[in-house]
Amino acid sequence: QSVLTQPPSASGTPGQRVTISCSGRNSNIGNNPVNWYQQLPGTAPKLLIYKNDHRPSGVPDRFSGSKSGTSASLAISGLQSDDEADYYCAAWDDSLTGVIFGGGTMLTVL
Amino acid sequence: QVQLGQSGAEVKKPGSSVKVSCKASGVTFSTSAVSWVRQAPGQGLEWMGVITPLFGTANYARNFQGRVTMTADESTSTFYLELTRLRSQDTAIYYCARPADSDHEWGFDYWGQGSPVTVSS
Repeated sequence: QSVLTQPPSASGTPGQRVTISCSGRNSNIGNNPVNWYQQLPGTAPKLLIYKNDHRPSGVPDRFSGSKSGTSASLAISGLQSDDEADYYCAAWDDSLTGVIFGGGTMLTVL
Repeated sequence: QVQLGQSGAEVKKPGSSVKVSCKASGVTFSTSAVSWVRQAPGQGLEWMGVITPLFGTANYARNFQGRVTMTADESTSTFYLELTRLRSQDTAIYYCARPADSDHEWGFDYWGQGSPVTVSS
């Protein structure tokens, strides 16, 4: 069981906006920035959001991140078929002294 | 352009050890902090630890302490992960990863292609 809690699945139709939540504790999300990854089948993860709400170069602005207290969210607007992937949140945990990942959310574009 | 090139697939017996490599290019080796992350079949991501050649230090996740060793060879710009006392639950794809710069902190911009390790008798 992951320390960071994500819904196992999410879905939306093309063009729709979807959000994926990530719930943690003071020792991780409460005290440290959150990063989000997208993983397409059979490929390595790709960094989508770092430090809660920053997009690396090349990531479309359809992807946005936010954090409040011990929870974080990833929002995807203008949903596209190639957004269908697994999404993971991650953060440093002060108690475990390591990086922890959420269990992942499988996004389906209907 | 930063690239992380990893070694190929391995098949190991339970109780044995495996050593996976990750060759970095396009980066300054000494300032690179490289983490290792693994993913078991159909499962999520699990951080194993980080090595920072600049400080000559390696920090391991609690789940792996005592079984894992991370090293780095500056002469070949290669990072290594060794995992001992393998068991079937260690069957996974092992990735090396690193941030673009210190501003990205623990956000991993660059990933290797992954090294599949299968543990089976």
